[in-house]
Amino acid sequence: DVKVTQSSRYLVKRTGEKVFLECVQDMDHENMFWYRQDPGLGLRLIYFSYDVKMKEKGDIPEGYSVSREKKERFSLILESASTNQTSMYLCASSPLGAGSYNEQFFGPGTRLTVL
Amino acid sequence: AQSVTQLDSHVSVSEGTPVLLRCNYSSSYSPSLFWYVQHPNKGLQLLLKYTSAATLVKGINGFEAEFKKSETSFHLTKPSAHMSDAAEYFCVVSPRLSGTSYGKLTFGQGTILTVHP
Repeated sequence: DVKVTQSSRYLVKRTGEKVFLECVQDMDHENMFWYRQDPGLGLRLIYFSYDVKMKEKGDIPEGYSVSREKKERFSLILESASTNQTSMYLCASSPLGAGSYNEQFFGPGTRLTVL
Repeated sequence: AQSVTQLDSHVSVSEGTPVLLRCNYSSSYSPSLFWYVQHPNKGLQLLLKYTSAATLVKGINGFEAEFKKSETSFHLTKPSAHMSDAAEYFCVVSPRLSGTSYGKLTFGQGTILTVHP
């Protein structure tokens, strides 16, 4: 089974802190994604990466950055956390190629609260 | 461009009765369509996917969905609800691409299913 793990289930940070959210997948997937999930808005894509050291902005990249130094690991960074970044953050991965039809595999999520 | 509309934000059923969660989509490309389920405090799990084969797609836990191109719909159904079906459900659309292209997933707003005993 594909396994996507996230470093924390719950996180509480203060405004202005630098926050790192880590995601690791064990299926050698090329693509990795970070989403945030807010009630009534579904999931919105923050950033994705299709290869090591490669990244692309999603729909809501402002206030975030990412890092992918190894294929299995994709980090989301909040440079200076703000209260409007309080949310559930979901990481996902998917294999490359026609056979995948873009199915993504999700981690359990990190619920971040910024005070 | 692509978009997804889930027509109900909340659906409430009694255990043993049918479930219908409605989804309409729009896409400039031939779409792949998915339903994901999220149980409380869990990540998303794939229920089923449509990828241009049979228009009636069967998924896990007795769920199925029918792709209707003329109606641009992909409604999720189950004949008999179980208490364990209580969760949030997301309809998702993506362009169906060949080769090594990445296709962006667009999520609906979610439908919360409540199942009463």
